Amino acid sequence: KAGVTQTPRYLIKTRGQQVTLSCSPISGHRSVSWYQQTPGQGLQFLFEYFSETQRNKGNFPGRFSGRQFSNSRSEMNVSTLELGDSALYLCASSLYRGRDEQYFGPGTRLTVT
Amino acid sequence: DAKTTQPNSMESNEEEPVHLPCNHSTISGTDYIHWYRQLPSQGPEYVIHGLTSNVNNRMASLAIAEDRKSSTLILHRATLRDAAVYYCILIRSGYALNFGKGTSLLVTP
Repeated sequence: KAGVTQTPRYLIKTRGQQVTLSCSPISGHRSVSWYQQTPGQGLQFLFEYFSETQRNKGNFPGRFSGRQFSNSRSEMNVSTLELGDSALYLCASSLYRGRDEQYFGPGTRLTVT
Repeated sequence: DAKTTQPNSMESNEEEPVHLPCNHSTISGTDYIHWYRQLPSQGPEYVIHGLTSNVNNRMASLAIAEDRKSSTLILHRATLRDAAVYYCILIRSGYALNFGKGTSLLVTP
């Protein structure tokens, strides 16, 4: 079974631009979560989607948004990029919510200059 | 808000057991305890999870305190490939409450 895939793997953007990252979960998985990882803050939860609805959101500004499609694929968008948004963005999928293990993708490395 | 506390780093000799502790004193009754590990340049990898009872799988064992305020991940025989950052997190209704900084495990031959 194919794992979680994320595209693109690497991205360089300029301050003020916006970016869209994509995540394809494992086939059959309905829950998708997004995380931001930086050396200073470690892994931080962004949001979780289940059945095309955002179920939970972490403590991030409104510039961070996401959505989930009917095939469970998910996208996250960051508008008005700031230097501090440079990070590894990880997507994880699970069969259901809460009790099941999460499978992480390799991440998208975003660099904002 | 519930959070986890782990030592910053631990060291083990190869082929010896490793006990990685995690404190989660404010855990709620429906919070699942998950453990993940992350190797350099990779996304986190699931290790094990549990709710109340001890759990075993092919990778590790999870010992959960009776009051659920702490748990211990047990690697029965550490190998060099087990060197990674280990995260203990609480999951509530799909929401990862707190990943923390994890424990960096060093395995020496």
